[in-house]
Amino acid sequence: AQKITQTQPGMFVQEKEAVTLDCTYDTSDPSYGLFWYKQPSSGEMIFLIYQGSYDQQNATEGRYSLNFQKARKSANLVISASQLGDSAMYFCAMRELVRTGANSKLTFGKGITLSVRP
Amino acid sequence: GAVVSQHPSRVICKSGTSVKIECRSLDFQATTMFWYRQFPKKSLMLMATSNEGSKATYEQGVEKDKFLINHASLTLSTLTVTSAHPEDSSFYICSARGQPEGSPLHFGNGTRLTVT
Repeated sequence: AQKITQTQPGMFVQEKEAVTLDCTYDTSDPSYGLFWYKQPSSGEMIFLIYQGSYDQQNATEGRYSLNFQKARKSANLVISASQLGDSAMYFCAMRELVRTGANSKLTFGKGITLSVRP
Repeated sequence: GAVVSQHPSRVICKSGTSVKIECRSLDFQATTMFWYRQFPKKSLMLMATSNEGSKATYEQGVEKDKFLINHASLTLSTLTVTSAHPEDSSFYICSARGQPEGSPLHFGNGTRLTVT
């Protein structure tokens, strides 16, 4: 079974508007971390935001916020005030901390392509 | 912040030759580094986990004799694609995790390998 699911097709958003990128996950590990990365066309992977499974509040980092709904096992990324430079692929990822230990790997979703229109 | 340097960024080689890709953590020690492969418009596929001073752990389906990993120091891991073939052409990305526990992975900028 897929651990990280990103099913949205390519997303389009108008500049200055907000957009939500969906991510659902599957784990039986009681302790895990959720990450979002941005990958522009250059290929580099840029860390955006992190949410721990025991964090009481939703994570925010500037224009990025994570809508964490633990019971639904979803961790959607919200980008506010979209900019042209936000056009990229966005990956949701999870690290299971108990099952796989301190050096556990990240499991990535398939990614979502976001295009910001001027 | 933590930085991971990956070199080269692009390499073109002939079929049958070997290519080495370096991954360095610049301002932190990384006992563990990860090597990913990415096909166009696809997710990152973990190839192997590189452990300093010990053998790498390979994911199922990844040929360890084909993709040699060496993690000789706390700041350097190398991936060697041996006897490269056109189907090995891909984008390879390394990553390492800084401290403390729960820190995100920091990625290199990737290596675009083209085998002709």
